Parts: sequence; C-alpha cells; structure tokens
Amino acid sequence: GAVVSQHPSRVICKSGTSVKIECRSLDFQATTMFWYRQFPKKSLMLMATSNEGSKATYEQGVEKDKFLINHASLTLSTLTVTSAHPEDSSFYICSAREPGTGPHQHFGDGTRLSIL
Amino acid sequence: AQSVSQHNHHVILSEAASLELGCNYSYGGTVNLFWYVQYPGQHLQLLLKYFSGDPLVKGIKGFEAEFIKSKFSFNLRKPSVQWSDTAEYFCAVTGMDSSYKLIFGSGTRLLVRP
Repeated sequence: GAVVSQHPSRVICKSGTSVKIECRSLDFQATTMFWYRQFPKKSLMLMATSNEGSKATYEQGVEKDKFLINHASLTLSTLTVTSAHPEDSSFYICSAREPGTGPHQHFGDGTRLSIL
Repeated sequence: AQSVSQHNHHVILSEAASLELGCNYSYGGTVNLFWYVQYPGQHLQLLLKYFSGDPLVKGIKGFEAEFIKSKFSFNLRKPSVQWSDTAEYFCAVTGMDSSYKLIFGSGTRLLVRP
C-alpha cells in the first residue's frame, strides 16, 4: 500500500533554532499533503494544506512565518519551524493524498519535537 | 463550526467483550466519515470509511461502523475484541469540497486486557 515517510522521528534542539521536518510519499505522487499538530491527549489539529508548486494554505491561527511549508516536488513536502521555542514542542504529523482516491490520506509516523 | 466529538476518552475491556465507540459530528452538508487506528508506536491507519451507499460499513479486523444521518453519528463497533486491538481510535470527517481537509475527534484510547 501507499507509504508516507516522515523524518526525523524525533528531534531535540535549543530554543531559537530552526527545525526542518520532511514528509515523503514513497510509492505515489502526492499533489496534496497535510501537516497536523497533536498535543498530548488531544486530537490532531490541521495546520496547513501543502499543494505542489503553490503556496500552502494555512488554517486560522497558524503563523505562516513561524511554520514554513514547502512542497517543491510531487513526493516531498517540508515543514520548517523557525526560531523554535518551548511552546512549539509537540508531535507533528504529515499526510499525503493519493490523486484519484478521494479524501483518504496516508499518514507518516510523526515527528516528536522537543525544544529546550 | 465543524467538529467531531468522541465521548469515550478511555475504554478498558476484557478480551471477547463487545466494543462500541461513539462518534458524533457537526458539519454542514454532505460528509465523508472515517475511523483511523493508531497502534502503539505506529502511524495512523485507516480502519474503515463511509462515502455513500449502505450506511453499515465493514472495515478491517472485524470492525464495522454505522452512519446514522439523523443522529449525526458514526459509531464504531466490534462484536468481540482481542488484546491486539489495544490502540487509539480516531473518528474523522471531511466535506465533499476539493480541499479534503480532515477534522479529527479527540481520540479514544482502548485497552484490552487478556
């Protein structure tokens, strides 16, 4: 079946640094990818929709300059958390939609981000 | 506002017990409904989905869900759970527009005791 690879799985860094998370669709081309954030014991919250070759669409309340999304190819989207602070610590999950399969999304394993 | 409610946050069952997890949604218009499962240490996987047609949907591993439009519900059921069903279960909804944005419930953590 369709596989989405997310890297890294875990990252710990100092406050003020920028962190890049990669999301790759391994065996299909994904024109649309999604980035979610999951707080402890909470639901997945959609942050943005990433469309190949165009600007990402951010959900209300998500800072565009804080969470930079790039979807440069049909198999790769990246999320960069700029100038990260402890409140950005969270579990970030990406998903990819396979064209022609409707709304179903394939999910990555997630990235645990810890900002010290 | 669009939302999904899962009423049971934690459920503990013994093996062979029957399972029903509640899911209610608030969404204007026609919807697509999903149940995802996340086993410990693994990514979210699709359990079953409803797009249209028969409101009783059968998924993998013996799970099923029933879409009741009048109640805005999509409850997940399994007649007899196994220890391997221990996981977190998420209900999700998306509309029929092309954005395909998923709105998730808060999840239900199921523990099945052997």
